[in-house]
Amino acid sequence: DAEITQSPRHKITETGRQVTLACHQTWNHNNMFWYRQDLGHGLRLIHYSYGVQDTNKGEVSDGYSVSRSNTEDLPLTLESAASSQTSVYFCASKAGGTGELFFGEGSRLTVL
Amino acid sequence: AQTVTQSQPEMSVQEAETVTLSCTYDTSENNYYLFWYKQPPSRQMILVIRQEAYKQQNATENRFSVNFQKAAKSFSLKISDSQLGDTAMYFCAFMRQGAQKLVFGQGTRLTINP
Repeated sequence: DAEITQSPRHKITETGRQVTLACHQTWNHNNMFWYRQDLGHGLRLIHYSYGVQDTNKGEVSDGYSVSRSNTEDLPLTLESAASSQTSVYFCASKAGGTGELFFGEGSRLTVL
Repeated sequence: AQTVTQSQPEMSVQEAETVTLSCTYDTSENNYYLFWYKQPPSRQMILVIRQEAYKQQNATENRFSVNFQKAAKSFSLKISDSQLGDTAMYFCAFMRQGAQKLVFGQGTRLTINP
């Protein structure tokens, strides 16, 4: 069955370190997204991609970057982790049109 | 920019009762889609129900139904005969027609008590 997987599921890091969260989907979806979930804020969009070599900033993109070199993967990089980036991160993908948005299981990141 | 507001941070009801979760949104668009997602303690996000703005008929999925009021920009979720497995965080979401990204509300934590 097609799926979307995130790794690592849990990570603890220190302020200032670079961190990369991986996202891999086997749906062959063109559209991929990264959200962060924080209490009281719901899910907020960090970055998204509509296809290979395409990336776009979401509403909370500062301090994050993504790259899309193939259809299956959209890694999220925190260049210099900050305590404010402690959160649960969700990757998601969808087909075009009104297709359903499928989510990964989330990655809990703690920045000390 | 579109915004989605869920004004009930937490709700709690007894098993078998009916519960309604509120959601309002702000947009100048005429064509769009609305969604309710469920996030149980496992953290997995699950699509519950969706509504196309051009459809006047309210969507239903088994025990889940919506009350879509386009003029009021309101999109509430009704859960009938609630079950313990309905305990979860529920998110309302908006997607403009032609776009692919969803805008989410803050979420409502629903607890079903035995």
